[in-house]
Amino acid sequence: ILNVEQSPQSLHVQEGDSTNFTCSFPSSNFYALHWYRWETAKSPEALFVMTLNGDEKKKGRISATLNTKEGYSYLYIKGSQPEDSATYLCAFIAEYGNKLVFGAGTILRVKS
Amino acid sequence: SAVISQKPSRDICQRGTSLTIQCQVDSQVTMMFWYRQQPGQSLTLIATANQGSEATYESGFVIDKFPISRPNLTFSTLTVSNMSPEDSSIYLCSVGGVSEKLFFGSGTQLSVL
Repeated sequence: ILNVEQSPQSLHVQEGDSTNFTCSFPSSNFYALHWYRWETAKSPEALFVMTLNGDEKKKGRISATLNTKEGYSYLYIKGSQPEDSATYLCAFIAEYGNKLVFGAGTILRVKS
Repeated sequence: SAVISQKPSRDICQRGTSLTIQCQVDSQVTMMFWYRQQPGQSLTLIATANQGSEATYESGFVIDKFPISRPNLTFSTLTVSNMSPEDSSIYLCSVGGVSEKLFFGSGTQLSVL
């Protein structure tokens, strides 16, 4: 059974703070790692799909890194804004796998 | 990209009844996926709906409990049958490939009393 762990479970920060969360996944048979942002009452939205060890991707104030050898990915948010409040999900797919396995998510609340 | 219309957005149901959730995609897609997120848990794949063939169910999910229809390449339904409080969850449909990003419907928040 593939296990994808996310930490912390939840995070409360002040507007302007930078923050990061972790996604841990099996380090063997890696194929791809996805990050999604899920705002309340909206559809989950894809942030990044990462496939190569050492990948770094950026979208505005959000960036992500990937270490497939040790089985983790970090998501960074620089200068958090209230509109960044959401649940951030990561999902892993193994080589020869046919489905994404999701973590339980990190809930981020940004106070103004 | 794909835009998915999912309904209902929420419902409160009585134990023993059934609820059908619909998803309409704005383009033709081969596979549609149905997920469930129970409170405090991960998004879990229920089944993959293929047009013209029976859905493929994941371990722990059975057709009698979660029948799926896929009459064409833009539409699918998931029925949650004979509901119990343990079925209270968010249900999501999605499309996309596993090496590409997934596009999701806006979800159905189901509460079973």
